[in-house]
Amino acid sequence: AQSVAQPEDQVNVAEGNPLTVKCTYSVSGNPYLFWYVQYPNRGLQFLLKYITGDNLVKGSYGFEAEFNKSQTSFHLKKPSALVSDSALYFCAVRDRQAGTALIFGKGTTLSVSS
Amino acid sequence: DAGVTQSPTHLIKTRGQQVTLRCSPKSGHDTVSWYQQALGQGPQFIFQYYEEEERQRGNFPDRFSGHQFPNYSSELNVNALLLGDSALYLCASSLWGAGTDTQYFGPGTRLTVL
Repeated sequence: AQSVAQPEDQVNVAEGNPLTVKCTYSVSGNPYLFWYVQYPNRGLQFLLKYITGDNLVKGSYGFEAEFNKSQTSFHLKKPSALVSDSALYFCAVRDRQAGTALIFGKGTTLSVSS
Repeated sequence: DAGVTQSPTHLIKTRGQQVTLRCSPKSGHDTVSWYQQALGQGPQFIFQYYEEEERQRGNFPDRFSGHQFPNYSSELNVNALLLGDSALYLCASSLWGAGTDTQYFGPGTRLTVL
């Protein structure tokens, strides 16, 4: 069965410091991987995706993510955090052989302090 | 370029009632997926519509049904509401057949069942 794990409910970082939000996945086939961000009382906003090719994917607002097939991970990173990055972040996976439904993790709350 | 829109924004119903939620996809998209996001959880896939047919379904009971119209807009219907149906309902649109396509989400409808 497909699944996504986000092992940290909350990540706290100081503004200007690098941030990492962790994600590991389990699929039977080859994955498509996504990161979305959700602000309070809002829907999900697409940040970036991994389809194939370069393991380092760059996305919106300075975020990037690294696909690691051997560790089945897709961690979200940003070199320098902003207070405005504070939000709820979701990792999602799609099995290429199992339709187009996205399987989401439970989410990680990122809190950036000034 | 209009994004995904959903209506209503909020809805309060009582147990046993029926509800209809509406979604208009992003311009140029022809596929609509519905997700349920319970409080503190990641979104869960309900079903997906393309060419007015349900193409894929998640693990939801038959009380959850949908429809897609010729203009690609979609409705989600839930019958015999239960307290546990209280959630944020998210609609996502994408382009069928574009295997790597991204699902873009609307702002959601907050359903409260009393």
